[in-house]
Amino acid sequence: GDSVTQMEGPVTLSEEAFLTINCTYTATGYPSLFWYVQYPGEGLQLLLKATKADDKGSNKGFEATYRKETTSFHLEKGSVQVSDSAVYFCALSGGSASKIIFGSGTRLSIRP
Amino acid sequence: NAGVTQTPKFQVLKTGQSMTLQCAQDMNHNSMYWYRQDPGMGLRLIYYSASEGTTDKGEVPNGYNVSRLNKREFSLRLESAAPSQTSVYFCASSGLTGGGGYTFGSGTRLTVV
Repeated sequence: GDSVTQMEGPVTLSEEAFLTINCTYTATGYPSLFWYVQYPGEGLQLLLKATKADDKGSNKGFEATYRKETTSFHLEKGSVQVSDSAVYFCALSGGSASKIIFGSGTRLSIRP
Repeated sequence: NAGVTQTPKFQVLKTGQSMTLQCAQDMNHNSMYWYRQDPGMGLRLIYYSASEGTTDKGEVPNGYNVSRLNKREFSLRLESAAPSQTSVYFCASSGLTGGGGYTFGSGTRLTVV
C-alpha cells in the first residue's frame, strides 16, 4: 500500500543553518504531496504542497520539489530560525487511496 | 474564521468511563477525520467520513465509534475508556477527499487512569 518514509529525528541545528528533511514515498498512481508543521501544543498546519511531478511547493522560506523519478519530496530551508522549531510531517494523498497518509514526523530544534 | 473546533481541550477519565469528543468545522467541507497521535507513532487514522451520512473505519478503530451528525459536525465516542486510549486526538476536515490537504483542529489531550 501507499506509504511515506521520512528522516528520523530529532534534528538539532544552529540558527541560520541550512535545513534538509528527507522524505520518500511509495504510491500507485500520481499522489499529491504535502508537508505539515506542528508547533508545540497545537494541531498540524499545512506548510506546503505539490500536486504533480516537478512542482515546487514553497511557503515561509521552506521549499520542496516533487521528484517522481526518485519518489522524493525533501523539505529544505536556506536559513532556519529558532521559531522554526517544531515537528514536521511529510504526507501524501491520491494514488490508490484518497485519504492522506502521514509519515512519522521529524522533530526539529533550532538553537540560538 | 474558526476553521475546525474541538472540544474539550483536556480530559481525564477513569478506566471504563465513556465520553464523546466533539468536532465542528465551518468551511463547508465534505470530508472529516479523526486521528490519534502517540509519541513515536505519528498520526493514526481512527475513523473518517467522506461525506455527510457515511463513515468508515481507519487504521485503529477498535474501542471507538463515530457519528457524522450533519455536514459540520463529526463526533468520536469512547464507550469504555482504557489506559491504551490515552493520547492526543485530532479532528481534521477537507473539501476534497484529501487531495487539497486537511485543516486540523487544535486537539484534545485525553488521559485515562
